[in-house]
Amino acid sequence: QKEVEQNSGPLSVPEGAIASLNCTYSDRVSQSFFWYRQYSGKSPELIMSIYSNGDKEDGRFTAQLNKASQYVSLLIRDSQPSDSATYLCAVILGGDDKIIFGKGTRLHILP
Amino acid sequence: GAGVSQSPSNKVTEKGKDVELRCDPISGHTALYWYRQSLGQGLEFLIYFQGNSAPDKSGLPSDRFSAERTGGSVSTLTIQRTQQEDSAVYLCASSFLTIPLMGDTQYFGPGTRLTVL
Repeated sequence: QKEVEQNSGPLSVPEGAIASLNCTYSDRVSQSFFWYRQYSGKSPELIMSIYSNGDKEDGRFTAQLNKASQYVSLLIRDSQPSDSATYLCAVILGGDDKIIFGKGTRLHILP
Repeated sequence: GAGVSQSPSNKVTEKGKDVELRCDPISGHTALYWYRQSLGQGLEFLIYFQGNSAPDKSGLPSDRFSAERTGGSVSTLTIQRTQQEDSAVYLCASSFLTIPLMGDTQYFGPGTRLTVL
């Protein structure tokens, strides 16, 4: 069973601090990785995509990928209360026409 | 243009009844995806269409579930003989390209909340 694992949280982070969200995956040949944000009662929206080892930055968000360790993370700098949401990690399986989502990490930014 | 739309937004049905959920993707998007999200659970990938074709139906939970897409646009997800465990939010997404290709951003609809009594 190919899986994507995330800590369910909640992860509580003070406003202005860095929030670090982690995700591990089991399929070594996966090539495409995504982070989605989902507010309560709303649909997911794409935050970041990453395909190569290393860091990818977009505004306050940085995605980090380490394929050797099968690990992808999302850093949120200068956390804001509006960042409070569930963050879903998604992985496109290598060789399969499927995308697997983790169960998400609930992030709570403390004002 | 408009985003992905889904109908109905809410559906309450009795166990054993059939239901049909509809998805209108963003105009011009060739790929369309169906997901299910149960309370407190992550997204469960069900099926995707490239044009009108679904290359892999193995993600559908059971043979009570079927999906079709016509004209490369609207898609319907049909659940026959609904069971209580089918209760979930069913989300549809569309993208310009298809899953195997990089840079494929999926845009999600608002979902249909299905409750089976």
